[in-house]
This record gives sequence, structure tokens and C-alpha cells, in this order.
Amino acid sequence: DTGVSQDPRHKITKRGQNVTFRCDPISEHNRLYWYRQTLGQGPEFLTYFQNEAQLEKSRLLSDRFSAERPKGSFSTLEIQRTEQGDSAMYLCASMDKAGRGSDTQYFGPGTRLTVL
Amino acid sequence: AQSVSQHNHHVILSEAASLELGCNYSYGGTVNLFWYVQYPGQHLQLLLKYFSGDPLVKGIKGFEAEFIKSKFSFNLRKPSVQWSDTAEYFCAVSRVYNFNKFYFGSGTKLNVKP
Repeated sequence: DTGVSQDPRHKITKRGQNVTFRCDPISEHNRLYWYRQTLGQGPEFLTYFQNEAQLEKSRLLSDRFSAERPKGSFSTLEIQRTEQGDSAMYLCASMDKAGRGSDTQYFGPGTRLTVL
Repeated sequence: AQSVSQHNHHVILSEAASLELGCNYSYGGTVNLFWYVQYPGQHLQLLLKYFSGDPLVKGIKGFEAEFIKSKFSFNLRKPSVQWSDTAEYFCAVSRVYNFNKFYFGSGTKLNVKP
């Protein structure tokens, strides 16, 4: 068990609906990442938080996607007006504070989104 | 933009065979390099990483990787694979001292026949 949890594990929605995913990182990890992974591909970076600040956002991320980490702990990823092309596994990873000697990402189990 | 290439999409080996998985990246600056593994039904987990120093890096479960700067490569090796090594392997890159963004390759599925 890596300690990063994601909810829900599976989500089926109809095109045009909004969905929200949650990620709970390992306690005290101040760095948090969201990725998207489609079949046959590796994880594709979406966005990065350090504490509550969103410091990096992929240019591939359309304005239908938004992520938050309001208190620097859990994070949410919302997709508005879902499209079939949004069907993918959404992964969350966390990393300990810089300087603690471990620049290792710990991944959660992912949320599998299916848009009908 | 940075990119990571893993040319072997699917590798099938018999137990005790040697393994080498290729990884090439495109980025002109200094990088951190990683190999991750995903066993069936499990999360992605770190296998090994290179930040600086000795270009031959040893990881868990007998895996090692060699960074060859002139070739922009970070190939993963294991002298003798086991059935339990059946998994998908991903190479990843980030800019040195910058952990804001990671780039992953498309992965290599390794199937080890008992």
C-alpha cells in the first residue's frame, strides 16, 4: 500500500456531465501531481501542486479541467462537460518535501473514467 | 518540449534470460531519470532513479540502469529475469532539480514465460 488514495476508483458518466475526483496524498507530502493515462500510453502530466499552490499546468489541459488543493492536503480534479476523449485512468502521485532526501513519487491506484 | 521514447512496446522472455529495455529522451539540459514498474493489478512504483554521480544505478529486485549522456539513453537491465518480473515498465524524465513536471515514456510490457 503506497498510502496515496483516490476516490472513486471507477466512474462512468454520460457525455456532457461534470465529474470530480479526489486524491488524498501521503500525510505530510507537500507535493502532489495529477496524470492522465490512456491505453498503451504512459502517464501524461496534467498538473502539479506544492502545498496549495498550483505551480505547473500542462498546456494540453483544456479549460474544462480544473484542479484544486485548498488546504495543501487532499486535491480534487474536476472535468466539466465531459467528452468521450476524456475516458482514461487519472492518476495522482505525491512526493515528500524537498530536501528530505527522497524525491520519489508515490502513486495512487487511479480513477478510471469512462465517458459514454 | 521534452519527450521520452521506449522503442520496445512488448517483450517476451523465458525465465533466466537477460533483459534490456531501451529508453531515450530528448532534452538538451541536465535531467533526472527514473524507471517505474507496474505489476498486474498494482500501483506504479519506483524501480530506480538517477540524479548524478555513477551512471550505473542499481535498483530493487536486481534491476540496474545505465545513463549514457552522449546517447541520451537510460536503459534498464537485469541479468536473469523471473516470472515475477512480468509487468509494465515506464521510463521517466524530469529536469534536474526541478520536480515540477515529469515526462513518461509509453511503457514496455514484459511477459516472462515460466
